[in-house]
Amino acid sequence: EVQLVESGGALVQPGGSLRLSCEVSGFTFSSHWMHWVRQAPGRGLVWVARIDTDGTNTDSADSVKGRFTISRDNAKNILYLQLSGLRAEDTAVYYCARGSLSPGIDYWGQGTLVTVSS
Amino acid sequence: QPALTQPPSASGSPGQSVTISCTGTTSDPVEYTFVSWYQQYPGKAPKLIIYEIARRHSGVPDRFSGSYSGNTASLTISGLQTDDEADYYCSSHGGTRFGGGTKLTVL
Repeated sequence: EVQLVESGGALVQPGGSLRLSCEVSGFTFSSHWMHWVRQAPGRGLVWVARIDTDGTNTDSADSVKGRFTISRDNAKNILYLQLSGLRAEDTAVYYCARGSLSPGIDYWGQGTLVTVSS
Repeated sequence: QPALTQPPSASGSPGQSVTISCTGTTSDPVEYTFVSWYQQYPGKAPKLIIYEIARRHSGVPDRFSGSYSGNTASLTISGLQTDDEADYYCSSHGGTRFGGGTKLTVL
């Protein structure tokens, strides 16, 4: 069974930093691109970043470029998202998601809540 | 502003059919072939229901179907059931574009 479990969400002050983790199981992690997608309270899904199978290539949304960094550890089956320079508008549930073998996303974690507030 | 446009709401009665559209822009069209649809219940993670325009994900009933025509992808749910009441999102470009979501109400 494919499982993705996020952790690391917290209440953080504006300008602060945080690292989110996503531990996966039930599939060959190193064979899949991985994504982070966020959802602000009461709002829709917004793609944040993606990383290729060996971590060589990454891509992120313009709204987080230069502030958020996606990475992965294939030996540990963990996906990361380093968040810095946090703003109130970054408040959201952050989902870890698996890239499907055809372009797109097929499985999602349960999400972890990041709240940016003073 | 979401990259893909969906109606904010849709509704139908049990047993009826409903279709939800997903439209790109001329500068950022819906990517033919690789459109996905997701179902999300309140407080829960999204779940994949349709991928590659019309393929149903494992375990998804055939009441759910997808199609594409002229820069618009569509999700049709036939034989509506009360537990179909949820938010539905389209996505394209390898998961990097999402629609704004459609709240489906089953009356």
